[in-house]
Formats: sequence, C-alpha cells, structure tokens
Amino acid sequence: GAGVSQTPSNKVTEKGKYVELRCDPISGHTALYWYRQSLGQGPEFLIYFQGTGAADDSGLPNDRFFAVRPEGSVSTLKIQRTERGDSAVYLCASSFGEFTDTQYFGPGTRLTVL
Amino acid sequence: GNSVTQMEGPVTLSEEAFLTINCTYTATGYPSLFWYVQYPGEGLQLLLKATKADDKGSNKGFEATYRKETTSFHLEKGSVQVSDSAVYFCALSSTNRDDKIIFGKGTRLHILP
Repeated sequence: GAGVSQTPSNKVTEKGKYVELRCDPISGHTALYWYRQSLGQGPEFLIYFQGTGAADDSGLPNDRFFAVRPEGSVSTLKIQRTERGDSAVYLCASSFGEFTDTQYFGPGTRLTVL
Repeated sequence: GNSVTQMEGPVTLSEEAFLTINCTYTATGYPSLFWYVQYPGEGLQLLLKATKADDKGSNKGFEATYRKETTSFHLEKGSVQVSDSAVYFCALSSTNRDDKIIFGKGTRLHILP
C-alpha cells in the first residue's frame, strides 16, 4: 500500500514569502505529526493531530507557523513571512494513533529560503 | 525535559565488523525507545523499538536492549554490511501519551568494503 507522501519534495522561496507544505498520511491513520529536521540534527517535533484537531502544537516555533487537517486526513503546514532560518527538511509522519504505535514517515519536503 | 544523547559520528567500520552505537536518555516515567534509520536518499524508517525495561528490540541483525538502570538503549550488530551505511537516530516517545517522538542528533555510519 501507499506510504506517507509529501509535496512538494523541494521548495525554494524568497525571504518574506508564504509557503504551504502538504502531507498525505497512510489511509486509516488517525494520528499525524509534523517534524522539522535541520542539517546535521535529528527531527524536532512541531505539531500533532488526532483526527481533525491539533492535540499538541507545542513544537511550533512561533505564530508564523500554522497547520491544519480539516477532514482528518491530508494536512497542510503553512509558514508565513518565511525567514532564512526556516530552511530545513519538513517531515510528516502518521500512525494509527494508539500510544506507542509505529509512526511512518514521509520522504520530507526540503524548504530553502533565500 | 526528555532528551536523547547518542554518540557523535561519523563512525567508519570495515565490512563484517562489530557495531555499537551508544544511546542514553533522560525521561520521566517509562518512555518507549526507538532506533530509526535514514538510508541515503530515503525517508526515516523505524528499525526497532522496545516499550518496557529489559525488552530487546531486533530487526535486520540489529539489536538494542532497554536498560532502565543505566538509561541506555545501545544499538548493536554483530557483522555489518556495506548496505548498512546510513544515519541512525535513537529516539524516545513522550510519556504523557501524546506520542511525539524526541530524537537524538543522529550518527552517520560508513561501512567500507
């Protein structure tokens, strides 16, 4: 079956622009996570959805970052007024949602802010 | 807060050598522990996991034992192959049932033929 997919795979934008990153989770997975991986670092948690609601958004670095999951499936991570420091690989993962269930990761979107 | 510390890389070994990548953690309660692997050009994959003390996770010849007394989860393999070259991440899941994973910084492994 299909895994987690993310689009685009690469995004280059200019400082100050708005970007949207999309995640399609595995069908039937109720939990969805966004992580950010900077060069040479491990992924860092951003936000977690259980169904349509954000159960934990404590990892979002500031109010320029926002994520939605309106129908409990596809999620969009939105970044306003991008800054060079936002450049990273943004990873999405999904799981069935039960505690300790395996999270399956997508290939990521590499965001470069010039 | 919860955190994971793993040995810095890169680690370079010859094929068929014994591998150990050290990982220690700090956490309240009883987290689940994981090793993820990222092969060149691919996404993160779960390699193995252990959900309680003294559990041993194993997969593809890799093993790691959840040691609560030393707060460690060291990754081992008896005989590495060139195809094991990748970046390995030790990780734990938060203990407040929100499932978010906290990762170490990763260890890059190079296996020479």
